[in-house]
Amino acid sequence: GENVEQHPSTLSVQEGDSAVIKCTYSDSASNYFPWYKQELGKGPQLIIDIRSNVGEKKDQRIAVTLNKTAKHFSLHITETQPEDSAVYFCAASRGGYQKVTFGTGTKLQVIP
Amino acid sequence: SAVISQKPSRDICQRGTSLTIQCQVDSQVTMMFWYRQQPGQSLTLIATANQGSEATYESGFVIDKFPISRPNLTFSTLTVSNLSPEDSSIYLCSVDSSGNEQFFGPGTRLTVL
Repeated sequence: GENVEQHPSTLSVQEGDSAVIKCTYSDSASNYFPWYKQELGKGPQLIIDIRSNVGEKKDQRIAVTLNKTAKHFSLHITETQPEDSAVYFCAASRGGYQKVTFGTGTKLQVIP
Repeated sequence: SAVISQKPSRDICQRGTSLTIQCQVDSQVTMMFWYRQQPGQSLTLIATANQGSEATYESGFVIDKFPISRPNLTFSTLTVSNLSPEDSSIYLCSVDSSGNEQFFGPGTRLTVL
């Protein structure tokens, strides 16, 4: 089955700096790559996703890049703000958004 | 989008007992999912619950330990049976509402003593 690795496990950045989280996946048939943000005491919330026919996608301060050849994808957050502090999960799926395999999570701390 | 509530939000249980977690959605949905999130770890899919049929369990999860009910299109329950400390986790339900996204509930934090 699919295996998703995520790095780093923790990340501290100064407010205004950029944050980058990287994931690799094992199943070359995976075609859907969502990113979730989980705040304390809440369930994960989808923040951005990318499909295998696209190399990059951007939504305001958040961008995701995908390299299918190398089987890795990354989340980029620019101009970080304290409210970006949370745990971020990458995920991968070959069957669309329903049966996804999650990465191990990155705890992001934005220091004011 | 979908608004999902779970009950209880947290519970402390004795080993050997069972806990039933309820998941309520504010709209009718075809598929509901149950996940386990062990402390400081990622989410693992337990099973998929469709209304009117038996739940489909992922590898490593069995119906005797995690019985699921799905009586209608807005509600599901997950029971964690014969509890042991290793079952201490956050249990989350999620739904497919818009056809292209999963929405997660707030989770139920279970501690087994």
